[in-house]
Amino acid sequence: EPEVTQTPSHQVTQMGQEVILRCVPISNHLYFYWYRQILGQKVEFLVSFYNNEISEKSEIFDDQFSVERPDGSNFTLKIRSTKLEDSAMYFCAIRAGVVDTQYFGPGTRLTVL
Amino acid sequence: AQTVTQSQPEMSVQEAETVTLSCTYDTSENNYYLFWYKQPPSRQMILVIRQEAYKQQNATENRFSVNFQKAAKSFSLKISDSQLGDTAMYFCAFMKHEGGGADGLTFGKGTHLIIQP
Repeated sequence: EPEVTQTPSHQVTQMGQEVILRCVPISNHLYFYWYRQILGQKVEFLVSFYNNEISEKSEIFDDQFSVERPDGSNFTLKIRSTKLEDSAMYFCAIRAGVVDTQYFGPGTRLTVL
Repeated sequence: AQTVTQSQPEMSVQEAETVTLSCTYDTSENNYYLFWYKQPPSRQMILVIRQEAYKQQNATENRFSVNFQKAAKSFSLKISDSQLGDTAMYFCAFMKHEGGGADGLTFGKGTHLIIQP
């Protein structure tokens, strides 16, 4: 199973601040995804990223969010001005294997105060 | 848009018993994949099993198997000889396949499975 790491594991920030969440796949991958999970709720798709551009995004992924792959390795999710309702687990996933399977990183817990 | 429904918020069984978690989905797509993910208290999302919609044969992975009924849009997960380590949230997920592989997963709300000693 492909390995994906995420940093930080836990981020605490003040409302209105910008945060950057990082995803580092251990080996080379082309497809990246971000999901979020508000505590006690289901996992929700945010965005997919392929060939250095956004392929698909959900209605949750508004102008407050952006993604990029700045150095060809790390994959980042930026939230420009955090709101209380952005508090959630954020998961990065990569696609691998023949069956388009997505493998998840351990997640970053974001707490907005 | 696709929807995934898991009608059992919580289930509890004794260790070594067999348990079946239900999942239904709604889609107009013909080509898609279905997955079960496990989320233990650590909140890591762990792939349990996957099924390609074009395959009639049900997928199996050791103690885990699925009952895929395409016409009924049903995708249940059976766990045999359940173990304490199987205690977790289980999420059913749908992904359409239009080529390219960039499609996001649509998840159900999950079933909290508790294995009692």
